[in-house]
Amino acid sequence: GAVVSQHPSWVICKSGTSVKIECRSLDFQATTMFWYRQFPKQSLMLMATSNEGSKATYEQGVEKDKFLINHASLTLSTLTVTSAHPEDSSFYICSALTSGSNEQFFGPGTRLTVL
Amino acid sequence: GQQLNQSPQSMFIQEGEDVSMNCTSSSIFNTWLWYKQDPGEGPVLLIALYKAGELTSNGRLTAQFGITRKDSFLNISASIPSDVGIYFCAGQTGTYKYIFGTGTRLKVLA
Repeated sequence: GAVVSQHPSWVICKSGTSVKIECRSLDFQATTMFWYRQFPKQSLMLMATSNEGSKATYEQGVEKDKFLINHASLTLSTLTVTSAHPEDSSFYICSALTSGSNEQFFGPGTRLTVL
Repeated sequence: GQQLNQSPQSMFIQEGEDVSMNCTSSSIFNTWLWYKQDPGEGPVLLIALYKAGELTSNGRLTAQFGITRKDSFLNISASIPSDVGIYFCAGQTGTYKYIFGTGTRLKVLA
């Protein structure tokens, strides 16, 4: 149980385009999901907290207009990187919070490369 | 953003050796967690600790929640080649956010 999937697993796009990444909790409902970004050889850095039916909460220094988060259902959160630039190239990982144990379960990550 | 300090940053060990790594914070956490991440994948939970002083094992892995609630350590006994990877500690805040450590990169020499 507690499986989280991400789609796509990797994506390459041109600079200036927008990219949407999906995060799904497959066998449980998650009112809260989290989005992390991980640059090469670095740790996971929390970008934002995604709450079902309400606006996401962004960490300091993360531009909410650039990283659009939508959590329209209890099993799906999406992260859209708008007007992507090469410096947005990174590994994006989501997690879903279970209501019972308050534990986060992580997705397999999405590798974004912006040319 | 805030990160927890992990040491060592990286280590090479011989197969069969024991490994110890630790994680320290300037803040108190109510929950400490240890994850392993393989290249190109998401982190996988190894051990979760919920009480100060708690010592928990998972196979060859043992972790402890420091009594000050500001640190934790992870031990791996009798390392094997598949233990290679990056190990992250994480502290959970009151709002369920995770703050991750800087990571310990482990390489096992057969």
